[in-house]
Amino acid sequence: EAGVTQSPTHLIKTRGQQVTLRCSPISGHTSVYWYQQALGLGLQFLLWYDEGEERNRGNFPPRFSGRQFPNYSSELNVNALELEDSALYLCASSLTGKNIQYFGAGTRLSVL
Amino acid sequence: AQKITQTQPGMFVQEKEAVTLDCTYDTSDPSYGLFWYKQPSSGEMIFLIYQGSYDQQNATEGRYSLNFQKARKSANLVISASQLGDSAMYFCAMRVPRQSGNQFYFGTGTSLTVIP
Repeated sequence: EAGVTQSPTHLIKTRGQQVTLRCSPISGHTSVYWYQQALGLGLQFLLWYDEGEERNRGNFPPRFSGRQFPNYSSELNVNALELEDSALYLCASSLTGKNIQYFGAGTRLSVL
Repeated sequence: AQKITQTQPGMFVQEKEAVTLDCTYDTSDPSYGLFWYKQPSSGEMIFLIYQGSYDQQNATEGRYSLNFQKARKSANLVISASQLGDSAMYFCAMRVPRQSGNQFYFGTGTSLTVIP
């Protein structure tokens, strides 16, 4: 069974640009979560989608947004990139109402 | 407010020895879940073990066990018989469904190095 897959694995962008990260959850999982992990830090919660709806949002500015598609895959969009957006972005999925979140390998974003 | 604290930035353990990674948490809600994840250098977070706040017994999964002390608000991870492949970052996390749904709160992690 395939795990959570994320693409691309690495990205290099410049300040002010926009980026889209993609995530495919484990088959059958309807909840998708996005986390930001800046270098040397723990994971910070960004967004939670379930059944196509945004259910919760972390303490991030509105230029961080996303959506979930009918097949439960998800996109994270970051507009007007800033240097401090450089981080590993991790996507996780779970069954609705279940505790355990399963993570992908992440997308490493570098903003120059 | 919900908070997870991991006070050990780095730990070393001899191969085949046991090691304890510390985690304390803070929440006023009686219903919560505690998790441990392993993050190798590749970046992927690997689920290790889960403990519910109402679980009477400490969780165990193979070589991993969770030392849950509710009164002290601690949820330490014990790895028995350490292996070289256990070298990684370890993160403690908490979920408080009535406060914040499925959102996880993560600690800052502990870097474990297993010495041959």
